[in-house]
Amino acid sequence: DTGVSQDPRHKITKRGQNVTFRCDPISEHNRLYWYRQTLGQGPEFLTYFQNEAQLEKSRLLSDRFSAERPKGSFSTLEIQRTEQGDSAMYLCASSLLPGQGITDTQYFGPGTRLTVL
Amino acid sequence: RKEVEQDPGPFNVPEGATVAFNCTYSNSASQSFFWYRQDCRKEPKLLMSVYSSGNEDGRFTAQLNRASQYISLLIRDSKLSDSATYLCVVNRGDYKLSFGAGTTVTVRA
Repeated sequence: DTGVSQDPRHKITKRGQNVTFRCDPISEHNRLYWYRQTLGQGPEFLTYFQNEAQLEKSRLLSDRFSAERPKGSFSTLEIQRTEQGDSAMYLCASSLLPGQGITDTQYFGPGTRLTVL
Repeated sequence: RKEVEQDPGPFNVPEGATVAFNCTYSNSASQSFFWYRQDCRKEPKLLMSVYSSGNEDGRFTAQLNRASQYISLLIRDSKLSDSATYLCVVNRGDYKLSFGAGTTVTVRA
């Protein structure tokens, strides 16, 4: 078990509804990442936090998506007005800041599987 | 062109066999390389980092060829538990990992 937890593990929603996912990283990790994985593909980067600052958002992240990490610990990812194309596994990962003898290996949580009907 | 490309397989091999597969990456500025393993409907888990000199971890051997921009993974003495999807992963030196679509390996008894 890597120590990254995500909640919920599964979410089924109707098109047009809003959903929110939570990620709790490994406690001493400064960096937190969100990825999305669809069937038969590898994960794709969505966004990234260093402590509480959101430093980059992928072009994959439309205006309907928002992510926060208010206290530099857990993070939430909200999708507004969900569409069927949003159906995917949403993965959270965390890492340390690279430094002397420290790698920024990313450890993944179990993911939230979203199904939009 | 995708940043990381892999043969999707599947590679179906008997227990005890050796299986090897590659991936290629397009960005010559890529700085670090990994193999992750992903079981069905589970999260990716780091299998091993890949170093320029090549490295081995038990039955797993990874090689990096920067000139040709490809990475390989070899599994010796395959076990049933090695059945999984193996994701080739590249880091350009920023924080974003670029994943291939994965190579599926099935080890049969």
